[in-house]
Amino acid sequence: DGGITQSPKYLFRKEGQNVTLSCEQNLNHDAMYWYRQDPGQGLRLIYYSQIVNDFQKGDIAEGYSVSREKKESFPLTVTSAQKNPTAFYLCASSDGGGKETQYFGPGTRLLVL
Amino acid sequence: QKEVEQNSGPLSVPEGAIASLNCTYSDRGSQSFFWYRQYSGKSPELIMFIYSNGDKEDGRFTAQLNKASQYVSLLIRDSQPSDSATYLCAVTPGGTSYGKLTFGQGTILTVHP
Repeated sequence: DGGITQSPKYLFRKEGQNVTLSCEQNLNHDAMYWYRQDPGQGLRLIYYSQIVNDFQKGDIAEGYSVSREKKESFPLTVTSAQKNPTAFYLCASSDGGGKETQYFGPGTRLLVL
Repeated sequence: QKEVEQNSGPLSVPEGAIASLNCTYSDRGSQSFFWYRQYSGKSPELIMFIYSNGDKEDGRFTAQLNKASQYVSLLIRDSQPSDSATYLCAVTPGGTSYGKLTFGQGTILTVHP
């Protein structure tokens, strides 16, 4: 089965804690993306990566970090610097190169204790 | 002005009617246009994409693009209760070669029996 997996489904963060959200794809896609969605709002781009070992900041990168050591994996760390992390986090991937369609994983819901 | 703006909802239509969802965008150089459907608590799933001016039909769905007026719309014919969801319009900004998407805030559609 080809697709995008995200884990965990729910994640609880304590004050001052860094947490890492996992995103894996077996679609052989070059590009991967992280979005944040707040209630009643559209998606906002956090980070994206077009190729292994390379990534760029999106519109709301502050308080987040990523790595892209493998083509199939693009983990997102929510650091303690992100003061309002409660949101629905969505990972997506695409073939890369322009007009391609992005496909989304099931998402991780992050809550602050 | 928001980069991608969707008609404010919620939109309520009776079963069997045509639902019309509209989206305007500010970047005249935008190249690719996508409609995603998102059920409550789930991740977005692609319904249609359109690149060229005119209409594109897929089953009960028709996407319409008018680049001169900078709008894209989605028509859902013979609406069903299962079509009740939030519909997200997404646009690839001009000058981007890696498929970065800018999303609208979404329109909630309710189809009542």
